[in-house]
Amino acid sequence: DGGITQSPKYLFRKEGQNVTLSCEQNLNHDAMYWYRQDPGQGLRLIYYSQIVNDFQKGDIAEGYSVSREKKESFPLTVTSAQKNPTAFYLCASRNLGQSSYNSPLHFGNGTRLTVT
Amino acid sequence: GENVEQHPSTLSVQEGDSAVIKCTYSDSASNYFPWYKQELGKRPQLIIDIRSNVGEKKDQRIAVTLNKTAKHFSLHITETQPEDSAVYFCAAIYTGGTSYGKLTFGQGTILTVHP
Repeated sequence: DGGITQSPKYLFRKEGQNVTLSCEQNLNHDAMYWYRQDPGQGLRLIYYSQIVNDFQKGDIAEGYSVSREKKESFPLTVTSAQKNPTAFYLCASRNLGQSSYNSPLHFGNGTRLTVT
Repeated sequence: GENVEQHPSTLSVQEGDSAVIKCTYSDSASNYFPWYKQELGKRPQLIIDIRSNVGEKKDQRIAVTLNKTAKHFSLHITETQPEDSAVYFCAAIYTGGTSYGKLTFGQGTILTVHP
C-alpha cells in the first residue's frame, strides 16, 4: 500500500548497536503496528499504538522500543538487548472509528534487518 | 489474550483443485477475522475478511466461513491456479480488556498449486 512507507528496505548493523526502523503513513490511520516475521513463524506482534503518545506491548516486546509522537509516525528501535534481531519487520496501520473492530490492516513493504 | 492456531502449515494441490485452510481462536472477545496473502518478498495483502455476526462470505473463488460456537474459521479457495501459490495468514482482532484492537496472526500456510 503506497500510503505506508518503511525505510530502508535493507538494513545491516553490527551486534551491540541500536537501530531504528522508520514507518510513516499518510492514510490518517489512528492505529499503527509493528510485526516481526521469521521463516515458519508467521507474524508476531511487537508493539501497537491506537493513539498518539500511547502504545501497548505485543507478544514479543522485549528488546524493542517505540514512540508515537505524531499520528503518522511510529518508529521502532531494535536495541542491543534483543537476542535475535535479524528478521523481516513489517509496519502496518488501520483506521479506528465506530466500526473499528472490522477495519483491516494495511502493511508497508517491510525492512529486512541483518545483524552480524 | 488471543491465540490463533492455523493448519496446515503447508498445502500442496493440483491446479483446479480446491484448497482449505483452517484457523481456531481462543477468545470469544475476538470478532473480526481477516485473511491475508503474502507472495515471496512482498507485504501481506488482505484477500477477504469476515465479521463475527456473519457465518459465510464469498468473493469469486475465495470464501470464508466462521463458526463462532466452535471458535474456528476457514478459508476456501476453489479452482486453484498457480498464481494462488503464496503464504496465507489468518488473523483475529481482539476487542476485550486492555488488549483492545490487538490483531493476532496464525502461523501461516504455504500453499503450492502445481500446474
